[in-house]
Amino acid sequence: DTGVSQDPRHKITKRGQNVTFRCDPISEHNRLYWYRQTLGQGPEFLTYFQNEAQLEKSRLLSDRFSAERPKGSFSTLEIQRTEQGDSAMYLCASRPNPGLGFTDTQYFGPGTRLTVL
Amino acid sequence: DAKTTQPPSMDCAEGRAANLPCNHSTISGNEYVYWYRQIHSQGPQYIIHGLKNNETNEMASLIITEDRKSSTLILPHATLRDTAVYYCIVRVRYGGSQGNLIFGKGTKLSVKP
Repeated sequence: DTGVSQDPRHKITKRGQNVTFRCDPISEHNRLYWYRQTLGQGPEFLTYFQNEAQLEKSRLLSDRFSAERPKGSFSTLEIQRTEQGDSAMYLCASRPNPGLGFTDTQYFGPGTRLTVL
Repeated sequence: DAKTTQPPSMDCAEGRAANLPCNHSTISGNEYVYWYRQIHSQGPQYIIHGLKNNETNEMASLIITEDRKSSTLILPHATLRDTAVYYCIVRVRYGGSQGNLIFGKGTKLSVKP
């Protein structure tokens, strides 16, 4: 399967702990997005990478959140000192560089569901 | 990016056509209409997009009104597996804040046997 993968699928943690999620995009996609989705809401944009460069961050991404994409391949999203309000589904998506023959469709992974107790 | 309005929920009988409306009265001339859906506990999945002409693919048809202020996603023969939340999004193709998608709450479609 060459789709977007995310690990872990589920994470339960206690308030104040740090957590890290991983996203492996489709291999030829150089653009990668992180979104957060709370119950009953649509996904909300968190941050965007083009290759290894983090080009945009939403104001939702507080200073407890950090994302990296070393070498422009997989990406990690870390949340430090988790709070109950961080409980959500964290989604990763990737898309190819726009150009002839490519669409700008975003391909989403299955998400990581975080529960902070 | 323009804002969209969708009904919060709809029902459809299995085997019948599901017609999901979306209003986007403030859409700009260079903005496309995109549809994604999200089946429970999965990530969103792209369905179709269009600018002003009607579009059809293996999943659905997209009908855009002539003034482009509204559109309808049509699933011609809905199955139980089409039960999902459907999101209508309007945005500039390839652009707009590095291309991130702005989701509303979508329409929860329930296909019933």
